[in-house]
Amino acid sequence: EAGVAQSPRYKIIEKRQSVAFWCNPISGHATLYWYQQILGQGPKLLIQFQNNGVVDDSQLPKDRFSAERLKGVDSTLKIQPAKLEDSAVYLCASSLERGGGYEQYFGPGTRLTVT
Amino acid sequence: GQNIDQPTEMTATEGAIVQINCTYQTSGFNGLFWYQQHAGEAPTFLSYNVLDGLEEKGRFSSFLSRSKGYSYLLLKELQMKDSASYLCAVRSYGSSNTGKLIFGQGTTLQVKP
Repeated sequence: EAGVAQSPRYKIIEKRQSVAFWCNPISGHATLYWYQQILGQGPKLLIQFQNNGVVDDSQLPKDRFSAERLKGVDSTLKIQPAKLEDSAVYLCASSLERGGGYEQYFGPGTRLTVT
Repeated sequence: GQNIDQPTEMTATEGAIVQINCTYQTSGFNGLFWYQQHAGEAPTFLSYNVLDGLEEKGRFSSFLSRSKGYSYLLLKELQMKDSASYLCAVRSYGSSNTGKLIFGQGTTLQVKP
């Protein structure tokens, strides 16, 4: 079965620029997550979707970050404008959830460097 | 609030046994995960405990005590390829009745020859 796909894998931008990341979850997985992982730390949940509805976005900096999951499949995460402290790896994950399928499968991540 | 603690770094010798501890304080607890993350790669699932006790899977075992808010990951017969970060993550149920994972900072394990 195909895993979680993400693109791009790497992105370098200057501060105040905009950037967008794309994620395609595992087929049939209703729940999709975006995490931010700063070097040396564990992943921090930014937003969680159940199908195309937002379940949790309590840690999403909504003044600059936005995310959508149209049609309950692919998702995009946008940062506008970027700050230096946004330099991190952005991980997308998906899970089945129903039937006890709680394990989250992670994509390869997008490494963002803001200069 | 939610809090997960695990040691930052550990070192062990190839062929040995190492135990990585994790303590947590959380509301709506609904299971504990261990993930392995090699440098520059995505986390991969190792184990899931929702009931007290030991779960064994090959060279890796994971233990949970819900009353103590404590878990450990046990790695036996260490191999060089086990050098990685090990992430403890607690699954917590919120008001929306869907779970989310809260990760610890990770324990970087270095296996030496």
